[in-house]
Amino acid sequence: AQTVTQSQPEMSVQEAETVTLSCTYDTSESNYYLFWYKQPPSRQMILVIRQEAYKQQNATENRFSVNFQKAAKSFSLKISDSQLGDTAMYFCASFGNEKLTFGTGTRLTIIP
Amino acid sequence: DTAVSQTPKYLVTQMGNDKSIKCEQNLGHDTMYWYKQDSKKFLKIMFSYNNKELIINETVPNRFSPKSPDKAHLNLHINSLELGDSAVYFCASSQVDRGNTEAFFGQGTRLTVV
Repeated sequence: AQTVTQSQPEMSVQEAETVTLSCTYDTSESNYYLFWYKQPPSRQMILVIRQEAYKQQNATENRFSVNFQKAAKSFSLKISDSQLGDTAMYFCASFGNEKLTFGTGTRLTIIP
Repeated sequence: DTAVSQTPKYLVTQMGNDKSIKCEQNLGHDTMYWYKQDSKKFLKIMFSYNNKELIINETVPNRFSPKSPDKAHLNLHINSLELGDSAVYFCASSQVDRGNTEAFFGQGTRLTVV
């Protein structure tokens, strides 16, 4: 069974600052994929970033980057130069056993 | 050109009614899913279909019946709706065998049972 844990229900940060969202996971799969999804108030689920577990290099997408610590089963998301449009729910997810398993989410608010 | 589209976006109905939500994807993916997001925003898988075959059924009540007429469509029919069925239902698709398991989501259907 897979589990994904997000221990920060809510976070807030000033615009232009950097924020890190935490995620830990557990899986029995030898090869798996990890994701961060963003859900703005529009409720659309938007992929932010993806990490393949066999790749040691941390994924980066513009202002978004991850810190993937495979041994610790940790997958945190760093948002640099935060913008008002980053305000959303952020979900960490793991793909294994033919399905995505989500964490409980972190509600991030960017303060002007 | 929407990749995963589901209809309707909003659905308000009375207890005991039967309703359906439709989903279509134009990405050529072979796997489609239904997820339920509750009032606390928790997302949980309900069903997964691969090439029209049911592969995951996560202890969902029998009142929920998915149907996949072809691999581009996965509909969800709900019988005898209950208050606790109120939630947002998301359809999603992915192409697992390409090694890229990114799931693309529809815009969600907010179901309110009164």
